[in-house]
Amino acid sequence: DTAVSQTPKYLVTQMGNDKSIKCEQNLGHDTMYWYKQDSKKFLKIMFSYNNKELIINETVPNRFSPKSPDKAHLNLHINSLELGDSAVYFCASSQARQGQKRGTEAFFGQGTRLTVV
Amino acid sequence: GEDVEQSLFLSVREGDSSVINCTYTDSSSTYLYWYKQEPGAGLQLLTYIFSNMDMKQDQRLTVLLNKKDKHLSLRIADTQTGDSAIYFCAERTPDSWGKLQFGAGTQVVVTP
Repeated sequence: DTAVSQTPKYLVTQMGNDKSIKCEQNLGHDTMYWYKQDSKKFLKIMFSYNNKELIINETVPNRFSPKSPDKAHLNLHINSLELGDSAVYFCASSQARQGQKRGTEAFFGQGTRLTVV
Repeated sequence: GEDVEQSLFLSVREGDSSVINCTYTDSSSTYLYWYKQEPGAGLQLLTYIFSNMDMKQDQRLTVLLNKKDKHLSLRIADTQTGDSAIYFCAERTPDSWGKLQFGAGTQVVVTP
């Protein structure tokens, strides 16, 4: 019954490796997001997709490549991992649309704690 | 976030009220949100308020919005030990596809 689910919950890997984090939502939402939470707990958006189309790309290094096979899934692939990529990555979804003024809640997954060693 | 500011720490005794403050800068913000993050857990949406409202109450939670001063607060009545967590304020602007701009979070510690 989990609304937004991410796998894996923990990921420990060596520098230089390539890894993926998967996200799925069963809320029927059109828009999905990836946020990064750093060691100081600061949260910042990385990407957003609406109906499989990239709509927000917040100056994230191109080693990060999101992929949305359908509107219920948004995966994050990271190439050539660096120590500074260590963080908690949160997936989220909402029914938000461009210019929409109605409130739409964003629901978050449990996070994936990535540790690069 | 640079546009949303919060105090970083709050200590409160069990049974007292907690007040967490937040200021934001974008006058076009439409919705303002409060999220709770417990240790090792995800973000739980607590409540939100539309920018044309002054107050919203939901059980033990009261949100106050001063749009003129761009000041948002969250009051938790009868604070319990289970309320110990980080509380994030976030704003959303109309043209942002639901993108949330978060504050740095306020660590709330509830003592017996």
